Amino acid sequence: AQKITQTQPGMFVQEKEAVTLDCTYDTSDQSYGLFWYKQPSSGEMIFLIYQGSYDEQNATEGRYSLNFQKARKSANLVISASQLGDSAMYFCAMRGPPGGGNKLTFGTGTQLKVEL
Amino acid sequence: DTGVSQNPRHKITKRGQNVTFRCDPISEHNRLYWYRQTLGQGPEFLTYFQNEAQLEKSRLLSDRFSAERPKGSFSTLEIQRTEQGDSAMYLCASSLNRQRVFGPGTRLTVL
Repeated sequence: AQKITQTQPGMFVQEKEAVTLDCTYDTSDQSYGLFWYKQPSSGEMIFLIYQGSYDEQNATEGRYSLNFQKARKSANLVISASQLGDSAMYFCAMRGPPGGGNKLTFGTGTQLKVEL
Repeated sequence: DTGVSQNPRHKITKRGQNVTFRCDPISEHNRLYWYRQTLGQGPEFLTYFQNEAQLEKSRLLSDRFSAERPKGSFSTLEIQRTEQGDSAMYLCASSLNRQRVFGPGTRLTVL
């Protein structure tokens, strides 16, 4: 079974600073994918970044980067130059191997608050 | 509109009533997912369709829950004899390849 662990219920960061949101995962699959989603108070889940288990380089998407450490089974999200609009709930999720339906298993989330 | 839409956005019902939610995926997406999210938790997988075929159901999906995707386009999720524990946000997502696009969700409150 797959499991995602996010140990930070809440995080604070000052505007323009960088912040790291932690995510560790557990799986016996060799092929898997890791996702980060942002959920503002309005409720929609917004895709941020994806890392495949066989990707050799860490994924980057604008101000978002994923610090993928396969041996440690961690996939931390780094947000650079935080903005007030980054305040939201952030979820790490894992997708199983191809052919398994591609359902996502989510962590419990980290509430990020960006302060002036 | 190129996103995933869900209706209604909010539903308040009395315990024991039946409710039905609708999800309209992105038109070219062949996969459709339903998730449930309770307060303070991440979304939990309920069921998955590839085109019109329902390929996987979570054990969370009791016999009071049924989902359909006729013709492989929109999908409906019905909850019969609602219970207070069914109060949650019900999220729909669709995908073609890797990226899943989520809808805004339907928030259900069972009184």
